[in-house]
Amino acid sequence: SQQGEEDPQALSIQEGENATMNCSYKTSINNLQWYRQNSGRGLVHLILIRSNEREKHSGRLRVTLDTSKKSSSLLITASRAADTASYFCATDRYNQGGKLIFGQGTELSVKP
Amino acid sequence: EPEVTQTPSHQVTQMGQEVILRCVPISNHLYFYWYRQILGQKVEFLVSFYNNEISEKSEIFDDQFSVERPDGSNFTLKIRSTKLEDSAMYFCASSLALKETQYFGPGTRLLVL
Repeated sequence: SQQGEEDPQALSIQEGENATMNCSYKTSINNLQWYRQNSGRGLVHLILIRSNEREKHSGRLRVTLDTSKKSSSLLITASRAADTASYFCATDRYNQGGKLIFGQGTELSVKP
Repeated sequence: EPEVTQTPSHQVTQMGQEVILRCVPISNHLYFYWYRQILGQKVEFLVSFYNNEISEKSEIFDDQFSVERPDGSNFTLKIRSTKLEDSAMYFCASSLALKETQYFGPGTRLLVL
């Protein structure tokens, strides 16, 4: 089964707008992690949210987790051109020894 | 801030050759991982490593792959006889403990010709 499916696949917004990306998953998790990847580069960790948490903030980032719906969202407020990147959710599934299952990602383009 | 490093950043090799990808995890981390990302595709888990042995491996991680922690700092991925389909970006990651943040290195882009 697919784990960590993001939508939309691509999102284009103007600088200053908010960007919301969603992630759905199918099995129970220990935690869910969001990463950013600039084109062809490494994965930068953004936020980890545990299964017993509902919301976390880090600077302009807000992540929510709804375990009943098996979904998470990443909100970037007041976006900047430098936020242009691909964003991935990755789930650490319950009793699965720590491996992360990544989604296909959302490609965010922030136009100046 | 401590970070995971990987060398080389790019590697080009001929099909059938052996390659070794190197990683230096964050120094106090205990869990180590390799992932790969074929161009345009998802990041895929390959293997996890703890206490000097493999904890878990995926179907991709067949007999052609091996991992080693030869000393207190390096963590390597060896592909014995590369295939065209091994061309991908290979990421090393480390975490302090299970269920904790995994920090990724910048990746090694492997091209098999």
